[in-house]
Amino acid sequence: EAGVVQSPRYKIIEKKQPVAFWCNPISGHNTLYWYRQNLGQGPELLIRYENEEAVDDSQLPKDRFSAERLKGVDSTLKIQPAELGDSAVYLCASSFYTNTGELFFGEGSRLTVL
Amino acid sequence: AQKITQTQPGMFVQEKEAVTLDCTYDTSDPSYGLFWYKQPSSGEMIFLIYQGSYDQQNATEGRYSLNFQKARKSANLVISASQLGDSAMYFCAMRGISGSARQLTFGSGTQLTVLP
Repeated sequence: EAGVVQSPRYKIIEKKQPVAFWCNPISGHNTLYWYRQNLGQGPELLIRYENEEAVDDSQLPKDRFSAERLKGVDSTLKIQPAELGDSAVYLCASSFYTNTGELFFGEGSRLTVL
Repeated sequence: AQKITQTQPGMFVQEKEAVTLDCTYDTSDPSYGLFWYKQPSSGEMIFLIYQGSYDQQNATEGRYSLNFQKARKSANLVISASQLGDSAMYFCAMRGISGSARQLTFGSGTQLTVLP
């Protein structure tokens, strides 16, 4: 069974440029998460989807960040325009309704803003 | 609001020895789950072990066990017989059952280094 797939793995852009990250969750997982992980810190939630509905986006900087999960499967996270402080690893995760409900993570997309 | 505290930025352990990674938490949710994840240098977060707040017994998964002390709000990870491949960042996390508490909240992590 394929895991959570993210692309690109690495992205280097100049500030004020746009960038987009793509995530394909594990088949059948209805919940999808985008996390941001700064160097040396734990991941912080940006947005959580239940199917195609964003149910928790309180920590998403909506002035420059947007996300979508149109058909309740794959998802895109966009930053426009990027700032120096956006340099981080963007992690996508998915989960299914089980007793434990553990999250399965992708390998992440490392963004460097110059 | 949920909060996870990991007070050990770095830990060293000799190969084949046991090591305990500390985690304390705070939540107002009556029911919650506690998780430990491993993050090697490759970056992927790997699920290790889960403990439900109403579970009577401490969780175990192979060489991993979770020392759950509900009254003290602690959920320490114990790794027995450490291996060189255990060198990684370890994150404690929790999730409640209601509303925004259903997200997974992570601690700041502990960098474990296993010495040969």
